[in-house]
Amino acid sequence: DQQVKQNSPSLSVQEGRISILNCDYTNSMFDYFLWYKKYPAEGPTFLISISSIKDKNEDGRFTVFLNKSAKHLSLHIVPSQPGDSAVYFCAATEGRYGNKLVFGAGTILRVKS
Amino acid sequence: NAGVMQNPRHLVRRRGQEARLRCSPMKGHSHVYWYRQLPEEGLKFMVYLQKENIIDESGMPKERFSAEFPKEGPSILRIQQVVRGDSAAYFCASSQQLNTEAFFGQGTRLTVV
Repeated sequence: DQQVKQNSPSLSVQEGRISILNCDYTNSMFDYFLWYKKYPAEGPTFLISISSIKDKNEDGRFTVFLNKSAKHLSLHIVPSQPGDSAVYFCAATEGRYGNKLVFGAGTILRVKS
Repeated sequence: NAGVMQNPRHLVRRRGQEARLRCSPMKGHSHVYWYRQLPEEGLKFMVYLQKENIIDESGMPKERFSAEFPKEGPSILRIQQVVRGDSAAYFCASSQQLNTEAFFGQGTRLTVV
């Protein structure tokens, strides 16, 4: 049973445009959500996070939106750059379990120059 | 950058052999997490340890797998009598406290032949 789903295996975007990566979850007990970026042969790198008490968090070119009623979150990258090309993982956790993260399967982002 | 160090990066084992994966957390971090990534899937939580204690091993297979985080030295994930299905990337993460950001190592890619 996949509690965190990333339904788009891949996404291709032109440099300078917006990249939107989506994530759905089923466990209503999740209260903290994170996005990780991963390059081949490397470990995941933390990108941005959001608590369930917020609906938006912004950090430079990266913004995460959370829609609790729809159990949906999205990561917006604007403007997209070729160096953003990587696998993006959505993850969620129940606060009381700290860093016991539940990951989605990932979305491969390709930014074309 | 003294990040989370995992070794070896690549490990090849024949079926039936033992695999030992090591993880040295970031300096000052006393919480260690192990995750496994099977091909085409997201990372799956295996075990959460603090120094000399296993806190949560709900993601660990019941047989052949064990983990430790001794008072001195790295955390060890041990897989006995490996089978082909154990082939995966194993990632370790560490955090300073329970609900602070976890940093991932580069992973150990285990191949069972």
